[in-house]
Amino acid sequence: EDKVVQSPLSLVVHEGDTVTLNCSYEVTNFRSLLWYKQEKKAPTFLFMLTSSGIEKKSGRLSSILDKKELFSILNITATQTGDSAVYLCAVEGGYSGAGSYQLTFGKGTKLSVIP
Amino acid sequence: DGGITQSPKYLFRKEGQNVTLSCEQNLNHDAMYWYRQDPGQGLRLIYYSQIVNDFQKGDIAEGYSVSREKKESFPLTVTSAQKNPTAFYLCASIDRANYGYTFGSGTRLTVV
Repeated sequence: EDKVVQSPLSLVVHEGDTVTLNCSYEVTNFRSLLWYKQEKKAPTFLFMLTSSGIEKKSGRLSSILDKKELFSILNITATQTGDSAVYLCAVEGGYSGAGSYQLTFGKGTKLSVIP
Repeated sequence: DGGITQSPKYLFRKEGQNVTLSCEQNLNHDAMYWYRQDPGQGLRLIYYSQIVNDFQKGDIAEGYSVSREKKESFPLTVTSAQKNPTAFYLCASIDRANYGYTFGSGTRLTVV
């Protein structure tokens, strides 16, 4: 059974701190790992990672994938209150033929940034 | 603008009633998905469909049914057999060519 484990489950930091969110996975036929930010309703896409060791950056957020150790990290530097959200990690894999991949989500990390 | 529309946003139903959640997309995406989210849980896959007139069970399909008669539409029916139907339901679709998932804004179902 495919599995995605995120840690920590919740985190409280002060504005300006740097945080690292972790995602480890066990999936068959790995295709990609995705990070999402969910504030109130639908998750919004942050990054998609397919290759090991290549850092993806977007402003204060960055992420990297290690396919040998089967994990990814999401870094947020100089955190702001607007970064408060649940960060979801999802892995696409489990190919079952006819272009049919499944997306397995972790439980998420709830980040709270206090002023 | 292209996107996924889920309706209604909030839905209340009495226990024992079937209810159908709507998901419509105008993105011309082939694949569509239904997820359920409970507090403290990640998104769990209920059903998915790769093409019209075909769909597959996900991890928690019991008590749910779907149809895919049109490419644009993938409605989810929560039946009375679903023991704990109160949850937040998200519909998604994927553009395989450009490899992007798009999510709807969700439907919060409360069964009383």
